[in-house]
Amino acid sequence: TQLLEQSPQFLSIQEGENLTVYCNSSSVFSSLQWYRQEPGEGPVLLVTVVTGGEVKKLKRLTFQFGDARKDSSLHITAAQPGDTGLYLCAGALMIQGAQKLVFGQGTRLTINP
Amino acid sequence: NAGVMQNPRHLVRRRGQEARLRCSPMKGHSHVYWYRQLPEEGLKFMVYLQKENIIDESGMPKERFSAEFPKEGPSILRIQQVVRGDSAAYFCASSLGQVLAGNEQFFGPGTRLTVL
Repeated sequence: TQLLEQSPQFLSIQEGENLTVYCNSSSVFSSLQWYRQEPGEGPVLLVTVVTGGEVKKLKRLTFQFGDARKDSSLHITAAQPGDTGLYLCAGALMIQGAQKLVFGQGTRLTINP
Repeated sequence: NAGVMQNPRHLVRRRGQEARLRCSPMKGHSHVYWYRQLPEEGLKFMVYLQKENIIDESGMPKERFSAEFPKEGPSILRIQQVVRGDSAAYFCASSLGQVLAGNEQFFGPGTRLTVL
């Protein structure tokens, strides 16, 4: 079973459109990170959200942490071909006495010119 | 200001051989994590190490897989008697401290293992 459900898994849209990617769980996280991964490379950290209800902006990307710290969203405004990539959310929590960073399945985003 | 380094970037092994993957964490980081990623999937946690200690190996298969992070030198993920199902990308990450204390993990470029 997937602790962190990410949706959609695949998204293909036209340049200039807006989109939202969701990360949902029944678990509470102490923090949540969003990463972007290019083919053949490792994930690169985009942002960390810590406080329930927190909103962070990174140019055209807006990240929100749910009030209960169980979910998060990534909204991209006016998507560009350079936004194409695999977006991963990851939540930090304690599982069976061990601190873990658990990842969602990823959203593969394609922006068509 | 080097980031996390992994080598080799690509590794090809025949079934039954051994694979050794190396990871040098960011300068000043003493926490190392290994993850495995299959195509079109997210990252699956394997093992968490601090210098000379394995802290959490709950995600690592009990047979054929081992990991170490010696006092000097890189962290090593070792896979003995590789099978085709071991083919995947293996990523190493490092952090300054524990994740629940707000420390972020920074990833290396990965080693892509192909077992023939």
